[in-house]
Parts: sequence; C-alpha cells; structure tokens
Amino acid sequence: GAVVSQHPSRVICKSGTSVKIECRSLDFQATTMFWYRQFPKQSLMLMATSNEGSKATYEQGVEKDKFLINHASLTLSTLTVTSAHPEDSSFYICSASPSTGGPDTQYFGPGTRLTVL
Amino acid sequence: KQEVTQIPAALSVPEGENLVLNCSFTDSAIYNLQWFRQDPGKGLTSLLLIQSSQREQTSGRLNASLDKSSGRSTLYIAASQPGDSATYLCAVRSGANNLFFGTGTRLTVIP
Repeated sequence: GAVVSQHPSRVICKSGTSVKIECRSLDFQATTMFWYRQFPKQSLMLMATSNEGSKATYEQGVEKDKFLINHASLTLSTLTVTSAHPEDSSFYICSASPSTGGPDTQYFGPGTRLTVL
Repeated sequence: KQEVTQIPAALSVPEGENLVLNCSFTDSAIYNLQWFRQDPGKGLTSLLLIQSSQREQTSGRLNASLDKSSGRSTLYIAASQPGDSATYLCAVRSGANNLFFGTGTRLTVIP
C-alpha cells in the first residue's frame, strides 16, 4: 500500500530555534499534502494544505510566517516551525493525496512529536 | 464550524466482546464520514468511508453506520481482539472540503 514517511519522528529543541519536518510519499506522487497538528487529548486540526509548486493555503488562526510550508516536489513537503516556543509543542502529522486519487484518498504519515524547551 | 465529538473517550473490554463507538457532528451538511485507526508511533489508517448518501459500510468485523440528519455515526466492532487496541477517530468531510476530526476513543481489548 501507499506509504508516507515523516522525519524526524521526535525532536526536542530550545525555544527560539527553528525546526524542519519532512513529509515524503514513498511510492506515489502527491499533488496535495496536508499538515495537521494534534495537541494532547484534542482532535487533529488541519493547519494547511500544500499543493506542489504553489503557495500553501493556511487555515484560520495558523500563522503562515511561523509555519513555513514548502512543497517543492511531488513526493516531498516540508514544514518549518520558525522561532519555536513551548506552546508549539505538539504532534504534527502530514498526509498526502495521490495525484490520481480524489480528496478522500489520503495517506497519513506516522507523525512527528515536537517538544520545545 | 463543524464540531465532532466522540464518546466514550476511553473504553476497556475483555476479548471477544462486541462494542460500539459513537461519533456525533454538529453540521449535517457533510460529504462523507470516515473512521480511522491510530496506533502509537504510526500514521492513521482509514477503516471505513461512508458517503453522505449511504447509511452503513461493512468491512470484516467492522460495521459503521451513518445517520446524517441526526449527526451521528457508530462504529461496531464484533468479537473484539487484543489487536484491535488502538485509538479510533472519526472524521467528517464538510465545508471547504476539509476533514474535521473527533478527539478519538482509546480502545483497550484485554486478553
């Protein structure tokens, strides 16, 4: 089946530093990738939708200058948390929709747990 | 804004029992509803997808129902097994074609 990987799986950083998270579709091309955030005991919340070769679409309340998304190829999207603060500590999950599939076909990555000290 | 609620938040059952997980949503104008399974350290796995025009879907020991007018869905798991232990999430697709997730039900099946 389709596989989506994320790297790193866990990251701990100091407040004020930037962290980059990669999301890769391993065996399919993904025109669209999604980034979600999940706080403890809360729902997954969509942060942004990225389409290959164009600017990401951010959900209301998500700062685009803080969460930089790059979708430079059909198999890779990156999320950079800039000037991270403790309140950014969360579980970040990406998903990818195959170029040949509809919006209901999303394959999810295993997630990245970010801890900001 | 669509809000999705799942009850109970956690559930423990002995192996072999049948069980029901509940999901409710506030806006009935949905395209579809999905049930996912989330295992620690792994991604979400889609279990069942019910289109808004459908009332139920079945896959093996799993059966999901949808009552769009009342904003409810249930996931029925028959003859539960320890391998079914995971967090189960329901998500509805609505609005600008976004997925809205519930907070999940953490299921533990005791051998």
